[in-house]
Amino acid sequence: DVKVTQSSRYLVKRTGEKVFLECVQDMDHENMFWYRQDPGLGLRLIYFSYDVKMKEKGDIPEGYSVSREKKERFSLILESASTNQTSMYLCASSSGQGGSGELFFGEGSRLTVL
Amino acid sequence: EDQVTQSPEALRLQEGESSSLNCSYTVSGLRGLFWYRQDPGKGPEFLFTLYSAGEEKEKERLKATLTKKESFLHITAPKPEDSATYLCAVRNYGQNFVFGPGTRLSVLP
Repeated sequence: DVKVTQSSRYLVKRTGEKVFLECVQDMDHENMFWYRQDPGLGLRLIYFSYDVKMKEKGDIPEGYSVSREKKERFSLILESASTNQTSMYLCASSSGQGGSGELFFGEGSRLTVL
Repeated sequence: EDQVTQSPEALRLQEGESSSLNCSYTVSGLRGLFWYRQDPGKGPEFLFTLYSAGEEKEKERLKATLTKKESFLHITAPKPEDSATYLCAVRNYGQNFVFGPGTRLSVLP
């Protein structure tokens, strides 16, 4: 089974703190994604990566950065957390051009910024 | 701009009462339409991929169909464990996914 593992299910941070959300996948997928999910707004793409050391901005990258030093790991960084970044964060991966392309999601990380 | 809408926003069914969820989409170039199930507090779980109009896929009580403008997720004789939010997404040739807002399904015993 494809497994996408997110390091923390629940986090509580204070405004201004630096926050790291880690994601690891075990299926040798080329593509990895970070989404946030908010009630009424659905899933919104923050950043994605199609290869190691490669990153692309999604629809809402402001206030976030990412790192992909190894193929299996994709990290989301909140440089200075703010209350409007309280949300559910979802990591996903998919195979490259030759695959059927579906996203496989992790369990999610629910972040609360106080 | 690629867009996905889903209806209804919420649906309550009695156990055994069949129904359908709708996903309407506009996309510059459809590379695939995807259905996911999401339980509260968890990540979405992949159900189906459909690639071309006329295609159908089935899994237990669920059947997904696709036309050029919309997809339906038919639920036959649902059970309480089918209660979840069902998400539809399209993938364009830019390889990005666009998700709909979801339909929240409740199946009452």
